[in-house]
Amino acid sequence: QVQLQESGPGLVKPSQTLSLTCTVSGDSISSGGYYWGWIRQHPGKGLECIGHIYYSGSTHYNPSLKSRVTISVDTSKNQFSLKLSSVTAADTAVYYCARVNTVVRGFSYDNWFDPWGQGTLVTVSS
Amino acid sequence: SSELTQDPAVSVALGQTVRITCQGDSLRSNYASWYQQKPGQAPVVVMYGKNNRPSGIPDRFSGSSSGKTGSLTITGAQAEDEADYYCNCRDSSGHHLVFGGGTKLTVL
Repeated sequence: QVQLQESGPGLVKPSQTLSLTCTVSGDSISSGGYYWGWIRQHPGKGLECIGHIYYSGSTHYNPSLKSRVTISVDTSKNQFSLKLSSVTAADTAVYYCARVNTVVRGFSYDNWFDPWGQGTLVTVSS
Repeated sequence: SSELTQDPAVSVALGQTVRITCQGDSLRSNYASWYQQKPGQAPVVVMYGKNNRPSGIPDRFSGSSSGKTGSLTITGAQAEDEADYYCNCRDSSGHHLVFGGGTKLTVL
């Protein structure tokens, strides 16, 4: 079955860039048909979409994070990555990667995240 | 603030029926997806589209939609259903995905 696994530093200093990678197994990103996304969850809080990417490199970012976010894809490694620049303590969160499923119904879309990675806690602290 | 609004907390007696709702303008033309999250675990999708349950999700979970309100109904709630539930849908621009604030379900 399809599995996703996040990896990257668990501790990042303020003002630096947070970098995470999601490795996909059981499916090929380059086969198309899906977007691949990043979601985060601040401690004790709700879920927040960061953005998602297609294998072609087409991206959609959360407008509130757009100025600091870059999501990229490496089809040769079957991975996609997240970079979040100029981090502060407010970026401390569990970061999840997930596959974005889509069904088109005329001019409407049904989207859902499945499967998810297990999540990785990133703490921003000096 | 989220474009999708959920009640922060809902409770249900064991074996009874509970409906968790999600409100937002984008729900007039798109169905919400629903996620269950237990402490320390990644979210799991329990409903998507008009009323689609992923494999492995009990049939006591069902989905519905009316106007700008999407609903997740649990018929005969079990103790293991106690969790946080989140809805998700495209935003009003149609390009971004947003989550509701989440509903903490307590099974009494």
